[in-house]
Amino acid sequence: QQQVKQSPQSLIVQKGGISIINCAYENTAFDYFPWYQQFPGKGPALLIAIRPDVSEKKEGRFTISFNKSAKQFSLHIMDSQPGDSATYFCAASISGNTPLVFGKGTRLSVIA
Amino acid sequence: GAVVSQHPSWVICKSGTSVKIECRSLDFQATTMFWYRQFPKQSLMLMATSNEGSKATYEQGVEKDKFLINHASLTLSTLTVTSAHPEDSSFYICSAVIRAGGHTYNEQFFGPGTRLTVL
Repeated sequence: QQQVKQSPQSLIVQKGGISIINCAYENTAFDYFPWYQQFPGKGPALLIAIRPDVSEKKEGRFTISFNKSAKQFSLHIMDSQPGDSATYFCAASISGNTPLVFGKGTRLSVIA
Repeated sequence: GAVVSQHPSWVICKSGTSVKIECRSLDFQATTMFWYRQFPKQSLMLMATSNEGSKATYEQGVEKDKFLINHASLTLSTLTVTSAHPEDSSFYICSAVIRAGGHTYNEQFFGPGTRLTVL
């Protein structure tokens, strides 16, 4: 049973456009929701994270929107650039040193 | 952000040999480290949770006798793939959780990964 569902599986966006990736979770005990960016052959890098006490968090061109009642959260990449082309993973965990549960990933391609 | 290193970055070995992968937290103490495996174009799959000074906790379906984990210090965890076979070929990634001032933070910092190829 997959606890974090991520969509779409792949995404193609024009340069300068907005990339939107969605995730839904099932376990209401989750209280930490990070997004990771991974380039081929590299480990995931933490991009941005949110906790359920806020509905939105913005860092530069990256924004997380969080809907606690719907158990959904999404990543928005504004002014998408070719350098943003990578695989993005959403994840969730319970506070403390518990492991992350990952979504299946979204392969983003930003074309000029 | 915090830095986690892995060594080696890639390794090729013959079937039946054992391979050791090191995961180090370079500028912080990590009482807990996690080991993941990632197959091509797939997500990260948790293999085990490694706690300093205690036995690792393995996920269902992961053979503890095949994937030996040792967390000997607050900055080092090792994963040994014993009697490796071609189906063990994968990208192995560790992550570490920061613990400072008696508090464990949620953020997990990932190593760069180790590409294992078993011939």
